Amino acid sequence: QVLLQESGPGLVKPSETLSLTCTVSDASISTYHWSWIRQPPGKGLEWIGYISDTGNANQNPSLNSRVTISVDTSKRQISLKLKSVTAADTAVYYCARVTGSIWYGWFDPWGQGTLVTVSS
Amino acid sequence: QSVLTQPPSASETPGQRVTISCSGSSSNIGSNTINWYQQLPGTAPKLLIHSNNQRPSGVPDRFSGSKSGTSASLAISGLQSEDEADYYCAAWDDSLNGWVFGGGTKLTVL
Repeated sequence: QVLLQESGPGLVKPSETLSLTCTVSDASISTYHWSWIRQPPGKGLEWIGYISDTGNANQNPSLNSRVTISVDTSKRQISLKLKSVTAADTAVYYCARVTGSIWYGWFDPWGQGTLVTVSS
Repeated sequence: QSVLTQPPSASETPGQRVTISCSGSSSNIGSNTINWYQQLPGTAPKLLIHSNNQRPSGVPDRFSGSKSGTSASLAISGLQSEDEADYYCAAWDDSLNGWVFGGGTKLTVL
């Protein structure tokens, strides 16, 4: 059973860049697609973006091109960078593996999530 | 405002059956498969149903999914207190070129 673990600063100042990593417990990182999803406190889930097994990436248009997702296979890590953050970016951030194809895939498993608060 | 529409809440008594709806459009549910996630209080979401109606190993057969046109439903029979959770539907959206979620349905077992 693969495990995912998010890590990164819990507090980020407005206008700065949020940086998180997701460490994968096994070597499957290069054979799957990966996604980041977030959940503001008390609210629903929002898809942030994905990176495919071939390195293609895409992000939610609502995030106005502020997102960069990358993979480091040697470290078994998926990284998320979200620049120019505001208080609206305060959320629990989850990484998840995409099982199946991109169009017909599903998120399983999920990491436990990490809370990032944007505040000065 | 979520792309997929779910009722914000649902409730039923133990042992009964409840259904949660998820409404979308031709660019998401209408042309791609729907998945359902369960989020127990204070925990990360967990896959409940994938590919419209497939249960992952370990998910009780009390949970079932269906899809018709641009809508989908999650049914839970023989409700138990531990089913009290938030439930989210999700699908790939061809217009967005990404995944969309429903706003979530909070299920209360009375």
